Amino acid sequence: SQQGEEDPQALSIQEGENATMNCSYKTSINNLQWYRQNSGRGLVHLILIRSNEREKHSGRLRVTLDTSKKSSSLLITASRAADTASYFCATDAGSGGSNYKLTFGKGTLLTVNP
Amino acid sequence: NAGVMQNPRHLVRRRGQEARLRCSPMKGHSHVYWYRQLPEEGLKFMVYLQKENIIDESGMPKERFSAEFPKEGPSILRIQQVVRGDSAAYFCASSLYGTVGTGELFFGEGSRLTVL
Repeated sequence: SQQGEEDPQALSIQEGENATMNCSYKTSINNLQWYRQNSGRGLVHLILIRSNEREKHSGRLRVTLDTSKKSSSLLITASRAADTASYFCATDAGSGGSNYKLTFGKGTLLTVNP
Repeated sequence: NAGVMQNPRHLVRRRGQEARLRCSPMKGHSHVYWYRQLPEEGLKFMVYLQKENIIDESGMPKERFSAEFPKEGPSILRIQQVVRGDSAAYFCASSLYGTVGTGELFFGEGSRLTVL
């Protein structure tokens, strides 16, 4: 079954609004990462949060991690049309697992309307 | 400072032909990973290689697929006797270290294989 599953599958907002995407996973992890993928392009790393961290910020991005609920959220504030992309969470296996092997969810397609 | 370079970007093959996808990691990176992305899906791990060694190929189909990362030159993902189900985007990533927790993966733009 999917390790990381993003929610919602698709999100459409207006420029300037905030966008929140969620990710749930099933097994213990070392780290959780968020990636962005523009249509037809490769993945761009956004942010990594370790299992012992609860919140992390990078520019307009805010990521939270709740290991008790096995979930993470990505908040993009003051969204721009250029933020339109698919967003994926990726986890690596926890204790005893292969922490070089990332498991991706199916992604959230974010559309920011100008 | 070139990133991960993949070629070809697009490849069309007929059923039964062979597909060869190439990946040059970022300068100084010796860890290479191949992932496959089916339409409307997330990426799935296929194989992890270091120079001249396959470290983990647990995500790679047992038949028709092979990967190498020679001492000189790019990493190659080879698919023999392609079938329609092989149509996907194949992404290569590289990292400075083998444990992703100490550094993120840098992805290439992908090679999109279409099997007719």
